[in-house]
Amino acid sequence: NAGVTQTPKFRILKIGQSMTLQCAQDMNHNYMYWYRQDPGMGLKLIYYSVGAGITDKGEVPNGYNVSRSTTEDFPLRLELAAPSQTSVYFCASRVNTEAFFGQGTRLTVV
Amino acid sequence: GQQLNQSPQSMFIQEGEDVSMNCTSSSIFNTWLWYKQEPGEGPVLLIALYKAGELTSNGRLTAQFGITRKDSFLNISASIPSDVGIYFCAERYNNNDMRFGAGTRLTVKP
Repeated sequence: NAGVTQTPKFRILKIGQSMTLQCAQDMNHNYMYWYRQDPGMGLKLIYYSVGAGITDKGEVPNGYNVSRSTTEDFPLRLELAAPSQTSVYFCASRVNTEAFFGQGTRLTVV
Repeated sequence: GQQLNQSPQSMFIQEGEDVSMNCTSSSIFNTWLWYKQEPGEGPVLLIALYKAGELTSNGRLTAQFGITRKDSFLNISASIPSDVGIYFCAERYNNNDMRFGAGTRLTVKP
């Protein structure tokens, strides 16, 4: 099993550009999450999903959108990139108590 | 919203020393989770606690769920260089989403 796979690993965006961060899991988990981690800080929840077709906002959803058309995939969309969105983004899936994280996408907006 | 407060923010210790860190909340929790994040990786679950007063070990790590259900601590005994990383407490906010503290950054000097 690959677990949780995030792509790309690194990306530089210009202000105002858009992009989609991909996340896929092969563990058939219903729960999936997107977090951002700013330098020296903890993880802030952006969006989460409890199953295909269901998504909900977390603590810091502004500037992002998500969709969950399948159990496996949970992409995160940035429509108009801003410097404040420079961060490391982690996707996770959960079964029962344990969450499994991807390796992260390091995004820089310049 | 609910807040998770972790302390200390960072620790610099000598190899072989014991380490203690804790997490407090403004609300009562049903589950306390402790994760470790190594450089360049996503967090990995270390210990999960489900009942007030519960004391659980995982090798040299021991964690306890506070009696008041508003706090938890994590101890690491006889630290080694590979203990370096950021330790996060986390909780399931409303049984669906999952929120993290700001983390305790541990540095172990050989």
